[in-house]
Amino acid sequence: KQEVTQIPAALSVPEGENLVLNCSFTDSAIYNLQWFRQDPGKGLTSLLLIQSSQREQTSGRLNASLDKSSGRSTLYIAASQPGDSATYLCAVRPDSGYALNFGKGTSLLVTP
Amino acid sequence: DAEITQSPRHKITETGRQVTLACHQTWNHNNMFWYRQDLGHGLRLIHYSYGVQDTNKGEVSDGYSVSRSNTEDLPLTLESAASSQTSVYFCASSEVQGWDPTDTQYFGPGTRLTVL
Repeated sequence: KQEVTQIPAALSVPEGENLVLNCSFTDSAIYNLQWFRQDPGKGLTSLLLIQSSQREQTSGRLNASLDKSSGRSTLYIAASQPGDSATYLCAVRPDSGYALNFGKGTSLLVTP
Repeated sequence: DAEITQSPRHKITETGRQVTLACHQTWNHNNMFWYRQDLGHGLRLIHYSYGVQDTNKGEVSDGYSVSRSNTEDLPLTLESAASSQTSVYFCASSEVQGWDPTDTQYFGPGTRLTVL
């Protein structure tokens, strides 16, 4: 059974800092990995999707990397802003099936 | 614009009652999923469907059922609601069947269910 772990569970940083969120998974037979953002009381918004054959994806101030062999992914947020405050979820889609396995998330607070 | 909607957004019910949560997507996606989100557990898969008349059990399916009579809708039914089913429920959909590693899931806004 695929286990997805996110560290840290919570993080508070001052505005402007660069930060890294970590995700690890136990089974390297993955199809892709996604990072989602979830605002309080809201649904999930996909931020980045990394295919199993890729090493990284970038979107604006966000960069996600994938090391499939070691079962790790990182989400790098550059020059953080208060609007980045949210919970960030890592999800892995296995080689078999279409459903996602989620980590418990990292709750990020960026203070002005 | 295509979207995925859930109703109701909030519901309070009593133990033992049957409850149905609606999920409707206008993406015309084949794949639909129900997850529940609880503190300390993250999102867990309840049921999923890969097309009309197809339904499958997920990790936490006990006490839940789904049916898929058309492409757009996948209602989730709690046969006899229990306090342990108090949670936030998310519906999701995705398009691709077959090999496309860029395929992503789109999520609805969620339904917060309280069972008293």
